[in-house]
Amino acid sequence: KQEVTQIPAALSVPEGENLVLNCSFTDSAIYNLQWFRQDPGKGLTSLLLIQSSQREQTSGRLNASLDKSSGRSTLYIAASQPGDSATYLCAVSLAITGGADGLTFGKGTHLIIQP
Amino acid sequence: NAGVTQTPKFRVLKTGQSMTLLCAQDMNHEYMYWYRQDPGMGLRLIHYSVGEGTTAKGEVPDGYNVSRLKKQNFLLGLESAAPSQTSVYFCASTPESVSGELFFGEGSRLTVL
Repeated sequence: KQEVTQIPAALSVPEGENLVLNCSFTDSAIYNLQWFRQDPGKGLTSLLLIQSSQREQTSGRLNASLDKSSGRSTLYIAASQPGDSATYLCAVSLAITGGADGLTFGKGTHLIIQP
Repeated sequence: NAGVTQTPKFRVLKTGQSMTLLCAQDMNHEYMYWYRQDPGMGLRLIHYSVGEGTTAKGEVPDGYNVSRLKKQNFLLGLESAAPSQTSVYFCASTPESVSGELFFGEGSRLTVL
């Protein structure tokens, strides 16, 4: 059974810092990996999607990398802002099903950016 | 576009009562999913559908039923609610398997007393 672990569970940093969130998964046979953001009381918003054949994806101040063989992904946030405060979730889909049976999620990293 | 819409957003039930959560998407997506989110447990897949008229079990299907009679709607039913089903329920959809982005609704908070 695929398991996804996110470290740290919580992180608080001053505004302006660059930071890295970590995600690891036990089964390297993934179809793709996605990073999501969840604000309190809200649904999830997709931030970055990395296909299994890709090594990284970038969107604005966000950069996600994927090392499938070692079962790891990182989300890098540059020049953090208070508006980045949220819970960030990592999720993977299995290659054997073509991703049809949904994503397996980590429990998230709760990020607070101090003004 | 509304995207993925869930109704109701909040509901309180007594043990043993039944209810249905409705998920509607206006993006013509083939794949739809129901997840529940619990503190310390993360998001877990309840049921999913790969197209109109199809449904399949996810990780935690017991106590729930689903139907996908129309492509745009995915219904989640609780026949006899239990306190263990107190949770926040999220519906999601994607156009083609999970090769693309997963779009989520805002969630439905259910409390079973």
